[in-house]
Amino acid sequence: ETGVTQSPTHLIKTRGQQVTLRCSSQSGHNTVSWYQQALGQGPQFIFQYYREEENGRGNFPPRFSGLQFPNYSSELNVNALELDDSALYLCASSHPGWGLSTDTQYFGPGTRLTVL
Amino acid sequence: AQKVTQAQTEISVVEKEDVTLDCVYETRDTTYYLFWYKQPPSGELVFLIRRNSFDEQNEISGRYSWNFQKSTSSFNFTITASQVVDSAVYFCALSGDTEYNAGGTSYGKLTFGQGTILTVHP
Repeated sequence: ETGVTQSPTHLIKTRGQQVTLRCSSQSGHNTVSWYQQALGQGPQFIFQYYREEENGRGNFPPRFSGLQFPNYSSELNVNALELDDSALYLCASSHPGWGLSTDTQYFGPGTRLTVL
Repeated sequence: AQKVTQAQTEISVVEKEDVTLDCVYETRDTTYYLFWYKQPPSGELVFLIRRNSFDEQNEISGRYSWNFQKSTSSFNFTITASQVVDSAVYFCALSGDTEYNAGGTSYGKLTFGQGTILTVHP
C-alpha cells in the first residue's frame, strides 16, 4: 500500500512569486486535506478536497487555492507569496467512513517552503 | 471554537523512564474524535491513535497507553520504558462533527495543539 507522497521536498521562492505544491493520496483514499505548519507550531488547517471540490476551508486568504484531480491527487497553489508563508506544508489523505469529519487523516512528509 | 492545549512544551527523560504527555481540549460538540500524532525530525506526521468521545476506555498498545477522561477534557499519552527512538514532537488533535460547508456537508478539520518536544537521552 502506497502512502501519501508530496513534491517537491524543499522549495525556495521570493516574495510575490507563485508556488504549486503537489500531493498524491494514499491508495484507496479520496479525500485530501492541506495544512500549514509554521516552525515550532502545530499544523493549521488550510482546506479539504472531496470529489474534486473544496469541501471545507480554514482561516486562510483566497490566494491559497487548490485542486483535486480524478485520481484524487491534489495541488496547493499560493499566489503573491509573503515572508510569513514560509512553513512546512502537509498533505493528508483519508477515506470517508461514516463521516468526513471523523475520518483518520494520514499525512505525507511535507514540503518545506522558504520565502525570501 | 475548538481548542487543544498541550501545556508541556518540552520534556527530557533518560531512557527507560516512563513519560506522560498531557492534552486538554475544548469543544462544544457532543460527538468528537481525539488523535495523537508523532512527528519525527523527518517531518511526517505519524498517526498513533484515534478515540471517539463515547469510548472512555483506556487503550494500551505495546509501550504506549492513552487515558481519556471526559470529565476533565483530557486525553493523556504515556510511554512506558521510553527509548531513544521515541524522541520526536508529539501532537494531540481534535476533530468534531460541527464543521459544515455551505452545502451542509461535514468536513474533517483537525485542530492541533502546539506539540510537545520529547527528548529521550541514552
